[in-house]
Amino acid sequence: QSALTQPPSASGSPGQSVTISCTGTSADVGNYNYVSWYQQHPGKAPKLIIYEVNKRPSGVPDRFSGSKSDNTASLTVSGLQAEDEADYFCSSYAGSNNYVFGSGTKVSVL
Amino acid sequence: QVQLQESGPGLVKPSETLSLTCTVSGGSIGSYYWSWIRQPPGRGLEWIGYIYSGRAKYSPSLKSRVTISVDMSKNEVSLRLTSVNATDTAVYYCARGWSFDHWGQGTLVAVSS
Repeated sequence: QSALTQPPSASGSPGQSVTISCTGTSADVGNYNYVSWYQQHPGKAPKLIIYEVNKRPSGVPDRFSGSKSDNTASLTVSGLQAEDEADYFCSSYAGSNNYVFGSGTKVSVL
Repeated sequence: QVQLQESGPGLVKPSETLSLTCTVSGGSIGSYYWSWIRQPPGRGLEWIGYIYSGRAKYSPSLKSRVTISVDMSKNEVSLRLTSVNATDTAVYYCARGWSFDHWGQGTLVAVSS
């Protein structure tokens, strides 16, 4: 299965918003509301920040929000902070007991 | 708070078998899906497979080489990957649930002679 497509990089100034896209197909993102987003700082394990398209786990700031339209999911980080500088990965259930991840986006806070 | 800890050899020779263990503490292993996920250095994440209620499912691309098992008495989830080569060099993570809501710290496995 092919990885979900994400832009390699995104950036914004402190306080601004940045949106990251995650494009799949009708076999994965477009067919299931099981899209998740993960934040990964260098040398650390990924951390779940959004699940089931737009739900936030306990403790994740509401600056992080998710959405989906057709075969593309999106993560928006509002009010950018220095600690938001990290890699972000999306994932989706792809049917037949299979999962697929995105290629990853490096977010820089200018 | 549930914690996951991966362990195993950091170096495996080509054509041999990679074996890792994920020890779960702070919660029961029985009620959840448990996945293995890997990340080659500097690259993205790849789902390897999961086990739930004793039944395992694997990524189509790795299915012929992977076995995931669970030892309920030890609260451990295990991964075996046979016939490894350099492309299997990666940080290997275990993770919990449908949405991978908890992750271990990961363990780097290098495949080299």
